[in-house]
Order: sequence, then structure tokens, then C-alpha cells
Amino acid sequence: AQKVTQAQTEISVVEKEDVTLDCVYETRDTTYYLFWYKQPPSGELVFLIRRNSFDEQNEISGRYSWNFQKSTSSFNFTITASQVVDSAVYFCALSEAFGNYGQNFVFGPGTRLSVLP
Amino acid sequence: NAGVTQTPKFQVLKTGQSMTLQCAQDMNHEYMSWYRQDPGMGLRLIHYSVGAGITDQGEVPNGYNVSRSTTEDFPLRLLSAAPSQTSVYFCATFLDAENYGYTFGSGTRLTVV
Repeated sequence: AQKVTQAQTEISVVEKEDVTLDCVYETRDTTYYLFWYKQPPSGELVFLIRRNSFDEQNEISGRYSWNFQKSTSSFNFTITASQVVDSAVYFCALSEAFGNYGQNFVFGPGTRLSVLP
Repeated sequence: NAGVTQTPKFQVLKTGQSMTLQCAQDMNHEYMSWYRQDPGMGLRLIHYSVGAGITDQGEVPNGYNVSRSTTEDFPLRLLSAAPSQTSVYFCATFLDAENYGYTFGSGTRLTVV
């Protein structure tokens, strides 16, 4: 069975600090996808990134970066120079294969990030 | 292009009442799903559909029905609401493997008293 663990329930940082959100996953499949979603206080879910299991390159998008390490089954998310607008709940998710048509799209419990001014 | 539209945004039901949560998309996405979000549990899949006329159960299907008569619409029915169904419900869609990653509606906050 697949599982996503986000051990950090809540994190508080002061604006301009860097912060890393941890995500550890479990799967028996060799082909899978990993995702991060952001849920701001307004409640909507915003897609941030998708990574497939064959692409271990780290990715940077502005102040956001992602570190995918298959050896440790982790897909961590770092926000550099955090801003108040980054305050949200962040979800890591795992899908074992597209062929399951999203049936096995499993979300972690989420990490609530508060960025204080 | 409205994306994924969910209605209503808020709803209060009494135990035993029935209602339908609406989900409509204008992106011509084949894949649609319903999730519920509960504190500390992330999102859990209720039902999903891979195309018009095809639906299947997810992780927590009990107490919910779905149908998919058109590509655009995927309503979620609660036949006899229970307090355990108090949650935030999200409808989500995606197009295909090349665009694999859910687009979510804005959610429906349901309270059953």
C-alpha cells in the first residue's frame, strides 16, 4: 500500500527565513508520481509541482525548490526567503501510476505553514 | 473558461436529509474525482470517473453515490446525511497522462447536524 507522511504538522517562521517542508512516501511501485499542493486560507487547492519517479533532478521555480531523493523516499519542498503570502497548508501527494486513473492518488495529512511578519 | 465549478460553497443539513453536491468543468477533462478533506487526514478519495458513463469507488465511498452522464458534470449525492459526513468536499479533474495533476474546485463546506 502507498502512504505519504508529512511529519511536520505546523511550522512557524519569520518572514524572509527559509523553510523546508518534509515529505516521505512509501510505495511498492517503480513508476509513480509525486505532487505538492498549496491550500491558502481561502481554501482552494493549488497545484505546485509534479515529479515522476524517473526524474530525480531537483527543480527550482522562483523562491520554491524541490529535492527528490529516491534513496530516502523523500520529496522535500523548500521556500527561500519566505513571505506572509506563503502561509498555507501544503500537501504532498503520491500516485502509483497514471494507469490507475488517479484511483491511488494519496495525500499526506498536510503541513500548516505560518509566516509571521 | 471557468475551470472546475462546485456548488454550493456552504451547506448545512439535518441528519437524514439528502442533497447533491454539484461539480461542473469546462476543460473537457475525462477524469473526475470527489475527495473529502478532514482535519489531520489530508484528502481521501470518495468516487472517481474515467469518462462519461463510467464511475468507480475510492477509499471512502459509503454513504455517497455518483453518476457521470456527461463529460462536464459529476454530481455527488448524499442519500441520508450523517454527522460523520461533515467535511469539506472537493471535486477534481485532470486531462491525461501528459497533464497528470489534479485541478480542484473551490470546495463545498458541508455541516450535518
